Amino acid sequence: GAVVSQHPSRVICKSGTSVKIECRSLDFQATTMFWYRQFPKQSLMLMATSNEGSKATYEQGVEKDKFLINHASLTLSTLTVTSAHPEDSSFYICSARVPGQGGNTEAFFGQGTRLTVV
Amino acid sequence: QKEVEQNSGPLSVPEGAIASLNCTYSDRGSQSFFWYRQYSGKSPELIMFIYSNGDKEDGRFTAQLNKASQYVSLLIRDSQPSDSATYLCAVRSAGNQFYFGTGTSLTVIP
Repeated sequence: GAVVSQHPSRVICKSGTSVKIECRSLDFQATTMFWYRQFPKQSLMLMATSNEGSKATYEQGVEKDKFLINHASLTLSTLTVTSAHPEDSSFYICSARVPGQGGNTEAFFGQGTRLTVV
Repeated sequence: QKEVEQNSGPLSVPEGAIASLNCTYSDRGSQSFFWYRQYSGKSPELIMFIYSNGDKEDGRFTAQLNKASQYVSLLIRDSQPSDSATYLCAVRSAGNQFYFGTGTSLTVIP
């Protein structure tokens, strides 16, 4: 499958600071990337859809001013958690959509980033 | 969020048995359907995808889709202890977003 690289894999930050997470598609061009958050023993919750060269589309209840998404190139999307608080501690995962034949698509995931806000 | 429902389990099966995982979805406009496996603390990894009604087989795995019933399942034959994980059902909506179920925890007992 396609390779999606996410960095960092683990980060600890102080409350009130900002953290940037990178998501790169290594062997394909990803016009669309997705950002998910997963709390312990829960499923992946879609936060936003990131489209190259345009504004991200946020799911209901996700604060766009807190979770800044930039998709400046076809291989890189970034998620910045601004003014992080302990309740933002979670597993953040990106995925990239790989267009297939007939309009069918698959999504491949990065390794995930474990964010801990202390 | 579109609704994707799974039985959270845990589901326990003996080694060598068939494990059956089920998923229902609410959005009739959903285009395609995926099963992912997730080990604790790791990202999901794709096992299978299915777009058309019926069965799709890949090795020990068979995905079944019934769009009229809005139901998709995954069968794992000859279950192995290494299959023990959480299995996530994902649905691609008409808007091309992927939505996930809560996952079913599977334990294969040696």
